[in-house]
Amino acid sequence: SQTIHQWPATLVQPVGSPLSLECTVEGTSNPNLYWYRQAAGRGLQLLFYSVGIGQISSEVPQNLSASRPQDRQFILSSKKLLLSDSGFYLCAWSPDRTATDTQYFGPGTRLTVL
Amino acid sequence: AQSVSQHNHHVILSEAASLELGCNYSYGGTVNLFWYVQYPGQHLQLLLKYFSGDPLVKGIKGFEAEFIKSKFSFNLRKPSVQWSDTAEYFCAVNPSGGSYIPTFGRGTSLIVHP
Repeated sequence: SQTIHQWPATLVQPVGSPLSLECTVEGTSNPNLYWYRQAAGRGLQLLFYSVGIGQISSEVPQNLSASRPQDRQFILSSKKLLLSDSGFYLCAWSPDRTATDTQYFGPGTRLTVL
Repeated sequence: AQSVSQHNHHVILSEAASLELGCNYSYGGTVNLFWYVQYPGQHLQLLLKYFSGDPLVKGIKGFEAEFIKSKFSFNLRKPSVQWSDTAEYFCAVNPSGGSYIPTFGRGTSLIVHP
């Protein structure tokens, strides 16, 4: 069966520091991968998605970036964190590229920027 | 572009009460509709989805949702809630034949008191 991992689970970082969040998927190949940010009362905001190695689409312009160095690995990064980057970051994957696709979510990373 | 509205941001119920969470979307064409649930400390997961056929869809844990095309709605219902239904619920929509990435609503936080 497929599983999705995210780490770290929680992170406290100072403003201006770099960020690297990692997401890996097991038990499937060539998944579609997604990064979301979940803010209280604001739902899920899609940040990036990827349909293959090295292929990244950005949905929201900001100081975050994403990379997909391997088929089942998705990384969210920042060179300099802002206070507004605090939030709950979710990685997700889906098997196909159809409108009926179910998304499968990871456990999330709680990021606090101080 | 499509959008999703969840009118109830916070709902508090006692056990055995009936539940209905509203979800309305804006899109003129054929859509696929989803409800996801996030239990405390658990991954966000699919509760049920509709993409064709019977507009009354049954999901896990006794939940159901009815697609009413004329009202652009996909409300979630459960006749008798339990304390274990305490969770955050997200509605999502994805137009058929379009992007495979759904648009999520802001979510509804449900608290069920024993």
